[in-house]
Amino acid sequence: QVQLVQSGPEVKKTGASVKVSCKASGYTFIGYGISWVRQAPGQGLEWMGWISAYNGDTSYAQKVQNRVTMTTDTSTTTAYMELRSLRSDDTAVYYCARDYQTAPYFFDYWGQGSLVTVSS
Amino acid sequence: QNVLTQPPSVSAAPGQRVTISCSGSSSNIGYNFVSWYQHLPGTAPKLLLYDNTKRPSGIPDRFSGSKSGTSVTLVITGLQTGDEADYYCVTWDRSLSVMLFGGGTKLTVL
Repeated sequence: QVQLVQSGPEVKKTGASVKVSCKASGYTFIGYGISWVRQAPGQGLEWMGWISAYNGDTSYAQKVQNRVTMTTDTSTTTAYMELRSLRSDDTAVYYCARDYQTAPYFFDYWGQGSLVTVSS
Repeated sequence: QNVLTQPPSVSAAPGQRVTISCSGSSSNIGYNFVSWYQHLPGTAPKLLLYDNTKRPSGIPDRFSGSKSGTSVTLVITGLQTGDEADYYCVTWDRSLSVMLFGGGTKLTVL
């Protein structure tokens, strides 16, 4: 069965960086992409970006594109999302989700979420 | 302010039918397929529909979708208390080059 298992909660200082991992199993990793979605407290879901596990192509939301890097490691079937220069409004639950191989499309399996708390 | 507009909340009694609308523009809904997600905060969102109307395996036919121009609608029939959740529409916007989420609609089953 398809599973996406994310790394645990993180507490970071303002200005620091965080790297969230998403370990995929149960499917051919390079046949799909991974999107990252976050939800701040009391807010709706927000798409952050997408990466193709096939060739590493990326597409980032303009809001975070200068601070985010998404990568994959095909040897361990793991996707990573690094967010730099953290601000208090980056406090959120971050989700990875399986997506289409060649472009963002729809998200059929999701990780359990990783809480990132940013404080001064 | 969300580019995709959903009603903040809807409610209905168990067994009843409810519709959740999602309105956009020619650069998003009018241009691309829409997917719908059910989300209980603190849990992983669940895909309900993709390509406007298609259900993934395991999603009951109580959930259906339609599209007209730059709007889509999610219909839930035979409401159950377990359907209480937030519902989001999602699509690609070719002008903004971003996947857009609607603002979300909180469904209350009275």
